[in-house]
Amino acid sequence: EAQVTQNPRYLITVTGKKLTVTCSQNMNHEYMSWYRQDPGLGLRQIYYSMNVEVTDKGDVPEGYKVSRKEKRNFPLILESPSPNQTSLYFCASSPTGTNTEAFFGQGTRLTVV
Amino acid sequence: QKEVEQNSGPLSVPEGAIASLNCTYSDRGSQSFFWYRQYSGKSPELIMFIYSNGDKEDGRFTAQLNKASQYVSLLIRDSQPSDSATYLCAVNPNQGGKLIFGQGTELSVKP
Repeated sequence: EAQVTQNPRYLITVTGKKLTVTCSQNMNHEYMSWYRQDPGLGLRQIYYSMNVEVTDKGDVPEGYKVSRKEKRNFPLILESPSPNQTSLYFCASSPTGTNTEAFFGQGTRLTVV
Repeated sequence: QKEVEQNSGPLSVPEGAIASLNCTYSDRGSQSFFWYRQYSGKSPELIMFIYSNGDKEDGRFTAQLNKASQYVSLLIRDSQPSDSATYLCAVNPNQGGKLIFGQGTELSVKP
């Protein structure tokens, strides 16, 4: 089954404790992206990757890191999480860039206390 | 001014009516435009994308783009209660990988 898989689905952590949210797709898509969704603000793009070893900042990259060492995986790293990073996070992939259908993961609800 | 703006709603329409969802964007050079649907507690799913001025139809959905007015809309004909969801407009400003979303419009279709 074609899918984008995020883990974990739910995470509660403490301020400053490094964490990684994994994202994996099995569709051989070139493009992958991370978003956060907050009430009243909609979806905001954090980082995106057009292909392996190519990543770029979205609108809200501060406090986040990503890497794209292989096509299927695009982990989101929070080196020192803060409470303002409490949010619902989505990973998405599409065959090539944003001009084609995007598949979203199930979401990761992160709470930083 | 927000880069992509939508009325947050809720927009309420009776079953069988036409629902009209609107979106404006600020970057005149924007190239591609997308409509996503998001059910409560679920992930967004792509409904349609449009690049050229005019209308694009897919089943009960029609996307309309007017680049001169920086306006894109989504019409849902014969609205069904199952269409009740939040609809997200997204804009790709420059053919790269960046995607900017509006805050979404909540649609409620009453039986």
